Amino acid sequence: AQRVTQPEKLLSVFKGAPVELKCNYSYSGSPELFWYVQYSRQRLQLLLRHISRESIKGFTADLNKGETSFHLKKPFAQEEDSAMYYCALYNFNKFYFGSGTKLNVKP
Amino acid sequence: NAGVTQTPKFQVLKTGQSMTLQCAQDMNHNSMYWYRQDPGMGLRLIYYSASEGTTDKGEVPNGYNVSRLNKREFSLRLESAAPSQTSVYFCASEGPVTEAFFGQGTRLTVV
Repeated sequence: AQRVTQPEKLLSVFKGAPVELKCNYSYSGSPELFWYVQYSRQRLQLLLRHISRESIKGFTADLNKGETSFHLKKPFAQEEDSAMYYCALYNFNKFYFGSGTKLNVKP
Repeated sequence: NAGVTQTPKFQVLKTGQSMTLQCAQDMNHNSMYWYRQDPGMGLRLIYYSASEGTTDKGEVPNGYNVSRLNKREFSLRLESAAPSQTSVYFCASEGPVTEAFFGQGTRLTVV
């Protein structure tokens, strides 16, 4: 069965510091992986997907099949990055989400 | 273009009461989802609908029923609410390029 694990419930960093939100998955096959973000009082929305290999708002995520990881990274965190971040896996026409990591960027 | 709309936004129920959470999307998407969000548990899939008239159980379907009567609407029903169903419920629809679009959520408290 597929599973998405986000080991950190809360991550606090200072503005300008690098940030890495961890995501590990268990899935046999070629996964489709995503990061979703929920800012305060806003809807959950797509941040990026591994297929597109793009940088969104300075965030990148690399799929590492050997380590079954899809960590989200940003070299210099901003206060506006404070939000709840969810890693998600798409399998058999369904989205499966991790437990989420709350990122708090301190001034 | 409102996207995904959920009603109500807030609800308090007594144990044993029933209610239906409504969800509608205006993006002509085929697939729709119901999730519940609980602290430390993330988003867990309750039910899923690939198209009008079809539904499928997710990870936590017990205590819930769903109905997909048309392409736009996907409702979630609690027949006999329990305190364990206190949660934030999210409806979502899936776009053609594998992207989930979410509603604003319904905060349900069962006392």
